[in-house]
Amino acid sequence: KQEVTQIPAALSVPEGENLVLNCSFTDSAIYNLQWFRQDPGKGLTSLLLIQSSQREQTSGRLNASLDKSSGRSTLYIAASQPGDSATYLCAVNGWANNLFFGTGTRLTVIP
Amino acid sequence: DGGITQSPKYLFRKEGQNVTLSCEQNLNHDAMYWYRQDPGQGLRLIYYSQIVNDFQKGDIAEGYSVSREKKESFPLTVTSAQKNPTAFYLCASSVIAGGGSYNEQFFGPGTRLTVL
Repeated sequence: KQEVTQIPAALSVPEGENLVLNCSFTDSAIYNLQWFRQDPGKGLTSLLLIQSSQREQTSGRLNASLDKSSGRSTLYIAASQPGDSATYLCAVNGWANNLFFGTGTRLTVIP
Repeated sequence: DGGITQSPKYLFRKEGQNVTLSCEQNLNHDAMYWYRQDPGQGLRLIYYSQIVNDFQKGDIAEGYSVSREKKESFPLTVTSAQKNPTAFYLCASSVIAGGGSYNEQFFGPGTRLTVL
C-alpha cells in the first residue's frame, strides 16, 4: 500500500525566507502528485499538480518538483509571506483517482 | 460560480443516531469522493463514485453509507455503527478522463462532526 511521508511536521521561518517542504512516497508507480494548502478548519486548496511524466510545475512563488524514481517531491516557496502560513499537504494518485495523503507540514511565517 | 458546497459546516450528533452530510458540486464532474481527516493524520478515503448510481468503498468505509442518484450530489450517512465518528469530513470531485489519465481533485469546505 502507498505510504506518503512529509518532513518536517512543522516549520517556522521569518518573512522573506525561501523554504522547501519535502514529500516522499513508497510506491513509484503513480499517475501524478498534488500539493494542497489547508487553512485551520477549512477545506483543501489545490496548489500544483505534477503529472508522472513531468519533472516540475510552477505557479507564482511556488515550484514543485517530482522525482518519481526516488519517490520524492519538493515544494519550494520563494520569498515567504505571513499569508503563506498554513498546513501543506502532498498527495499521490493511486487507483481510480484515489489520493494517498501525507500528514502535512504546518508552516508559520513570522512577520 | 462553480464549486463544491458542503453542509452543514458543523454537526452535532448523539450516540446511536444516524446523520447525513451533504455534498453538492456544479463543476459537471463525474467523480466524487468522501474523505475523513483526524488530527495528526492524513486524509483517508471513505467512499468514492465515478459515475451516477455507482460507488466503491475506500479504506475506511465501515459505518458509513453513500448514494449517488444525481451527478451533482453525493451525500454521506454516518451510521450508528461508526464507533468513532468525531472528525472533519471533506468532499471532493474530479473530472474523469479516458486513457487512465488523472484529473485534479477539488475539495469542499468540510463538515466538522462531533458526537456528544
